[in-house]
Amino acid sequence: EDKVVQSPLSLVVHEGDTVTLNCSYEVTNFRSLLWYKQEKKAPTFLFMLTSSGIEKKSGRLSSILDKKELFSILNITATQTGDSAVYLCAVRNYGQNFVFGPGTRLSVLP
Amino acid sequence: NAGVTQTPKFQVLKTGQSMTLQCAQDMNHEYMSWYRQDPGMGLRLIHYSVGAGITDQGEVPNGYNVSRSTTEDFPLRLLSAAPSQTSVYFCASSFSGGGETQYFGPGTRLLVL
Repeated sequence: EDKVVQSPLSLVVHEGDTVTLNCSYEVTNFRSLLWYKQEKKAPTFLFMLTSSGIEKKSGRLSSILDKKELFSILNITATQTGDSAVYLCAVRNYGQNFVFGPGTRLSVLP
Repeated sequence: NAGVTQTPKFQVLKTGQSMTLQCAQDMNHEYMSWYRQDPGMGLRLIHYSVGAGITDQGEVPNGYNVSRSTTEDFPLRLLSAAPSQTSVYFCASSFSGGGETQYFGPGTRLLVL
């Protein structure tokens, strides 16, 4: 059975801190790994990763995939209160379905 | 483009009632799916479709039916609502090629009393 695990499940930091969110997976026929940010509404897309070792970057957010060790990390530098959200990791298989992890709830305090 | 739309935004049902959650997309996506989201459990796949006329079950299909008569629409039917179906429901769509993310609708919050 396909499975995605995220850690930590919850994290509280202060503005300016750097955080690293973890995602590990067990998926048959891996196709891609995706990160989403969810505030009090629908998830919004952050990154899609398909190749190992290639960092994707968008402003203060970056992510990288290790297909050998079956994990990905999402880094957020110089955190701001607007980064407070649930961060979801999902893996897509060749059956085209997306399997989601439980999410990491990040709270950034001023 | 409207993207993915869902109606209603919020619904209260009594146990045993039936209803249909509507989902439509205007991006010509082949793949459409329904998820439910409960606290601390991420998104769980209910049903999905890879094209008009083709549907299949996801992780938690019991108590729900779907159909896909057109590329644009993918309604989710609750046959006989139960309190355990109280949740937030998201519809999503994507291209089938695997090189794309999926786009989410705004969600429907359902309360079953």
